[in-house]
Amino acid sequence: SAVISQKPSRDICQRGTSLTIQCQVDSQVTMMFWYRQQPGQSLTLIATANQGSEATYESGFVIDKFPISRPNLTFSTLTVSNMSPEDSSIYLCSVERTGADTQYFGPGTRLTVL
Amino acid sequence: EDQVTQSPEALRLQEGESSSLNCSYTVSGLRGLFWYRQDPGKGPEFLFTLYSAGEEKEKERLKATLTKKESFLHITAPKPEDSATYLCAVQAWRNTGNQFYFGTGTSLTVIP
Repeated sequence: SAVISQKPSRDICQRGTSLTIQCQVDSQVTMMFWYRQQPGQSLTLIATANQGSEATYESGFVIDKFPISRPNLTFSTLTVSNMSPEDSSIYLCSVERTGADTQYFGPGTRLTVL
Repeated sequence: EDQVTQSPEALRLQEGESSSLNCSYTVSGLRGLFWYRQDPGKGPEFLFTLYSAGEEKEKERLKATLTKKESFLHITAPKPEDSATYLCAVQAWRNTGNQFYFGTGTSLTVIP
């Protein structure tokens, strides 16, 4: 398995501001993912972040709105930019370890935008 | 269209009352099917991986099975601590790499 931590665990932000979410893993991993989970809905993949290359964004998500950094094999950040109430959600990072087909998830960041 | 559907959306059981949760999928190129448990305010916790039809996995009161088009999560004699949302996900190979498709989950409540 993998131990994943996220900061902050929750935040309440004002419209128009930006928030950066950190994801730290206890060991080196190649694949890191960022998901959004809105109330009562399933997980929606925002982007895949591989170390040493630009993040790959899913349809409906753009780099200007959700810039991602992946400076090394144990750390990534997701920024939610110019926030609106529609961005209120739980943001989850996950990792896929080499040799293990499943994904392991962090505890999530609960974001509320007023 | 690649899709993962879970049913029922919500399930209330008396303690000790066994039942099954369903995950059906229309995803081509299946590499694996995964079950997760998610408690309120937490990230999904990995439970099982199933790779081929006929495969079964067990863990305590949970047993997962897989057919060609669906998977079942059987809960035997559930306890209140089994209350959670159970998510199903399918992994498929695409030209861009492995792709995960998640269902919307079944919210299970076990009443003492």
